[in-house]
Amino acid sequence: NAGVMQNPRHLVRRRGQEARLRCSPMKGHSHVYWYRQLPEEGLKFMVYLQKENIIDESGMPKERFSAEFPKEGPSILRIQQVVRGDSAAYFCASSPLQDGELFFGEGSRLTVL
Amino acid sequence: GQQLNQSPQSMFIQEGEDVSMNCTSSSIFNTWLWYKQDPGEGPVLLIALYKAGELTSNGRLTAQFGITRKDSFLNISASIPSDVGIYFCAGSSGSARQLTFGSGTQLTVLP
Repeated sequence: NAGVMQNPRHLVRRRGQEARLRCSPMKGHSHVYWYRQLPEEGLKFMVYLQKENIIDESGMPKERFSAEFPKEGPSILRIQQVVRGDSAAYFCASSPLQDGELFFGEGSRLTVL
Repeated sequence: GQQLNQSPQSMFIQEGEDVSMNCTSSSIFNTWLWYKQDPGEGPVLLIALYKAGELTSNGRLTAQFGITRKDSFLNISASIPSDVGIYFCAGSSGSARQLTFGSGTQLTVLP
């Protein structure tokens, strides 16, 4: 039973480019969460999605960031017109239940030059 | 918003020693969780606590949910080299999406 799969593991972008991060939840999990981790800090909640629905995006910046979890395929976190402050590790977690235990992926590390 | 203060920020201990770390919150939590994160990896859940006063063990790890519901500690006994990593506390006053993480304790175990 594969764990939460995230790709790419590392992504380098120049300022102004777009970054797309993908997350495939564990089999049977329909709840997906995205967290951001800045260097030497804890994880900060960004967005919670179920299939085809954004349930809670209270932690997501209002501009340039968007997330989706389509009926088929992985969840996508999209950052448009990246800036240096977007450099961070982005973690996806999935759960089989709305308030169930979170299983984290290995993260996608974004570096903006 | 909710804030978690986790201490110490880092620890250097000798192999075989016991270690303790704790988290305090400015508000009440219904759930306390302790995670370990290895370099380049995602956090892995170690212990989950759901009731005030609860004391739970997982092998050499023991964690407690404070009576006031505003704090929790994690103890590791007889440390070994593979205990090296960053330990995070996380609290929730509602559902999983409301997890608030501490800033982590970097543990180094010296041979």
